Amino acid sequence: NAGVTQTPKFRILKIGQSMTLQCTQDMNHNYMYWYRQDPGMGLKLIYYSVGAGITDKGEVPNGYNVSRSTTEDFPLRLELAAPSQTSVYFCASSYSRGRNTEAFFGQGTRLTVV
Amino acid sequence: KQEVTQIPAALSVPEGENLVLNCSFTDSAIYNLQWFRQDPGKGLTSLLLIQSSQREQTSGRLNASLDKSSGRSTLYIAASQPGDSATYLCAVRPEDGGSQGNLIFGKGTKLSVKP
Repeated sequence: NAGVTQTPKFRILKIGQSMTLQCTQDMNHNYMYWYRQDPGMGLKLIYYSVGAGITDKGEVPNGYNVSRSTTEDFPLRLELAAPSQTSVYFCASSYSRGRNTEAFFGQGTRLTVV
Repeated sequence: KQEVTQIPAALSVPEGENLVLNCSFTDSAIYNLQWFRQDPGKGLTSLLLIQSSQREQTSGRLNASLDKSSGRSTLYIAASQPGDSATYLCAVRPEDGGSQGNLIFGKGTKLSVKP
């Protein structure tokens, strides 16, 4: 069972370049999330989705875009990369957001913008 | 606004010791609390999930407790081993609509267990 899969694992971008971080889950979860983790900081929510075709902003959405065309996939798009977007990005999913809901995370994408 | 704090930020113990990691949160209106483990350069692995109506959960040498009214949770690790060395993250899932029930994380406790 693959769970949540992220690609690529590592990437170096130049300032102004664009890229898409891929995330897919095989657990038929409705909810998917993108977080970023900076050194010494907790995870911050970028965007989330409650189902196919529905997305919403989290705490730190500026500079990012998302789409959710299928239940399985939730790509994160960086249009004009900036050094401030150097971070580790985690995708997560959960079946719901209720009391017994457990969140599952991918292995992360380490992005460096130079 | 919900805030999650983990103390200490780092902890070093000799192998075999029992230890406690602390997590506190400012708003008791939560659905659940989840403890994660993160190894260097890796993703988050879920360890334990405690629902708001529960007081504790156990998995092997791990025991997590929740005191919702006081906004505290502890993760107890018995007979620590070098393989337990990792960063441990605590996250709460708020009930309030403002955060849409999404997880809010603490900054983690970095644990080092020395042989």
